[in-house]
Amino acid sequence: GQNIDQPTEMTATEGAIVQINCTYQTSGFNGLFWYQQHAGEAPTFLSYNVLDGLEEKGRFSSFLSRSKGYSYLLLKELQMKDSASYLCAVRDSNYQLIWGAGTKLIIKP
Amino acid sequence: ETGVTQTPRHLVMGMTNKKSLKCEQHLGHNAMYWYKQSAKKPLELMFVYNFKEQTENNSVPSRFSPECPNSSHLFLHLHTLQPEDSALYLCASSQAAGTQETQYFGPGTRLLVL
Repeated sequence: GQNIDQPTEMTATEGAIVQINCTYQTSGFNGLFWYQQHAGEAPTFLSYNVLDGLEEKGRFSSFLSRSKGYSYLLLKELQMKDSASYLCAVRDSNYQLIWGAGTKLIIKP
Repeated sequence: ETGVTQTPRHLVMGMTNKKSLKCEQHLGHNAMYWYKQSAKKPLELMFVYNFKEQTENNSVPSRFSPECPNSSHLFLHLHTLQPEDSALYLCASSQAAGTQETQYFGPGTRLLVL
């Protein structure tokens, strides 16, 4: 079967750095997405990786290793507004998105 | 950001009621999706429409009935639901289904079935 694993919940301190990991086992691979979802709001697109390596976008970076079936989302200089759930999703060989259950990130002052 | 809108935002219904959820996208996309999001579970894809044609039905019970009159509008008709159908129902759109395109989501309808 297809599976996406990410931690259920993480806690970090304002101003610090946090890394949210995602491992996947899917039928084929056509890219990996990270979305941010604040409570009661729409998931919003953060990043897309299809090749190995690090993609940097401001305070957020996303890394992919296809050989290891692994990705992480790195958030720097954490702000209180970064408290949200972070969803990892992989597009499989049929171009369907397979979703993880999300990681709830709690930022403390 | 009002690219994808959904109404109503909240809905409470009894098991014998009939209601409809509405989704509208203003992004010029050709694919629209319904997802179910339950607490601490992955998003579950329910239906996919590509250029107004249904291309995916992930074994969804017939008490959920989608309708896509044009590429900008998507409905989910609900009847005789069960309490376990209580969840957040998310609509999304993308340029086209079955491609590398990013999906953009609406804020969802929080549904409670009593």
